[in-house]
Amino acid sequence: GAGVSQSPSNKVTEKGKDVELRCDPISGHTALYWYRQSLGQGLEFLIYFQGNSAPDKSGLPSDRFSAERTGGSVSTLTIQRTQQEDSAVYLCASSLVGVRDTQYFGPGTRLTVL
Amino acid sequence: AQSVTQPDIHITVSEGASLELRCNYSYGATPYLFWYVQSPGQGLQLLLKYFSGDTLVQGIKGFEAEFKRSQSSFNLRKPSVHWSDAAEYFCAVLSSGGSYIPTFGRGTSLIVHP
Repeated sequence: GAGVSQSPSNKVTEKGKDVELRCDPISGHTALYWYRQSLGQGLEFLIYFQGNSAPDKSGLPSDRFSAERTGGSVSTLTIQRTQQEDSAVYLCASSLVGVRDTQYFGPGTRLTVL
Repeated sequence: AQSVTQPDIHITVSEGASLELRCNYSYGATPYLFWYVQSPGQGLQLLLKYFSGDTLVQGIKGFEAEFKRSQSSFNLRKPSVHWSDAAEYFCAVLSSGGSYIPTFGRGTSLIVHP
């Protein structure tokens, strides 16, 4: 079946603009993660959605970052007033239920802020 | 707090040679441990995971890893490397105490010479 998809694959924006990144998880997966991967760094946790529970937003680096998940499926990560330090690859992953289940990652969105 | 160290930023091996990628973790109890591979332009793919039981874990693509509690290590091994194994490898740790936020190492880039 289809894997996790993300769009756009690349996004170039100007400093100060808002961007929206989209994640389509695998159908039926209730858990969804967003991560940020900067050059030479590991993955940095951003936010976690599990079913209808309130999301864990503890990894969001500032209030310019927000995310939502509509209908328990598609998720959108929004970055307002982008800064150059926001440049990174943003990865989305989904899993069937919980942390012991395999996380399936999307190919990522490469964000470049000029 | 949990942490992961991958001491080697780059490793170069010849095709057909054996491989060992190091991973050390810091966590008070027995953690959940994972190895992921990221090929160029791809999302992360789970190679193997350890939760409990047999400390030698077999994964996909001929990889295995051994959990050594006394050394706080979870090194990844492969007896004979193929050129297609060239990729970035990430070790991750998750506390077994109920957290659902994994911590990733910075990754090891594997270069395979023909």
